[in-house]
Amino acid sequence: RKEVEQDPGPFNVPEGATVAFNCTYSNSASQSFFWYRQDCRKEPKLLMSVYSSGNEDGRFTAQLNRASQYISLLIRDSKLSDSATYLCVVNMDSSYKLIFGSGTRLLVRP
Amino acid sequence: NAGVTQTPKFRVLKTGQSMTLLCAQDMNHEYMYWYRQDPGMGLRLIHYSVGEGTTAKGEVPDGYNVSRLKKQNFLLGLESAAPSQTSVYFCASTPLGGATDTQYFGPGTRLTVL
Repeated sequence: RKEVEQDPGPFNVPEGATVAFNCTYSNSASQSFFWYRQDCRKEPKLLMSVYSSGNEDGRFTAQLNRASQYISLLIRDSKLSDSATYLCVVNMDSSYKLIFGSGTRLLVRP
Repeated sequence: NAGVTQTPKFRVLKTGQSMTLLCAQDMNHEYMYWYRQDPGMGLRLIHYSVGEGTTAKGEVPDGYNVSRLKKQNFLLGLESAAPSQTSVYFCASTPLGGATDTQYFGPGTRLTVL
């Protein structure tokens, strides 16, 4: 079993749609959680951290479910510019070491 | 403020050739990392450094060597390239090694080994 698993997609949605991605992780002792965004042929960039209480940044909402060991990312009112691959990233042991999921690809169509 | 830069951006090697990838950061970060990204897989840590003069192995270190002679530079070497090393290589840095530190990535180097 992979340490961090994501549905690879692609998720193909119209502009204005709401879309949600889930990510599961295997280590129940994992400490920190993130969503990174990666545009085609570009480097990953931090989208948002995921806090235990859930957090929101504009149209983006991230949630953590420790009991079921998954995190989610909700994007409301999708824009064309949201088209990218979204990487679920987990820190397993409070160190600098991050485990990256293979990503979920989102395509937003006009 | 350039952030993290990588050279070269693209390279094609023949099996058995050697090369060095250069990563430079101007943010005075202590920690630096080399990852590889392959289709269908997440980024995997090759080697990392927790400060000038120090290096350590990551998840997939075989076939690679690294050096951090200056704080701002982190070099990744391939002594004898193999087709299995065809990949996109990303360098990253963090201020310290904190679990919540944002990783700042360079633009990547696309390497093909024939």
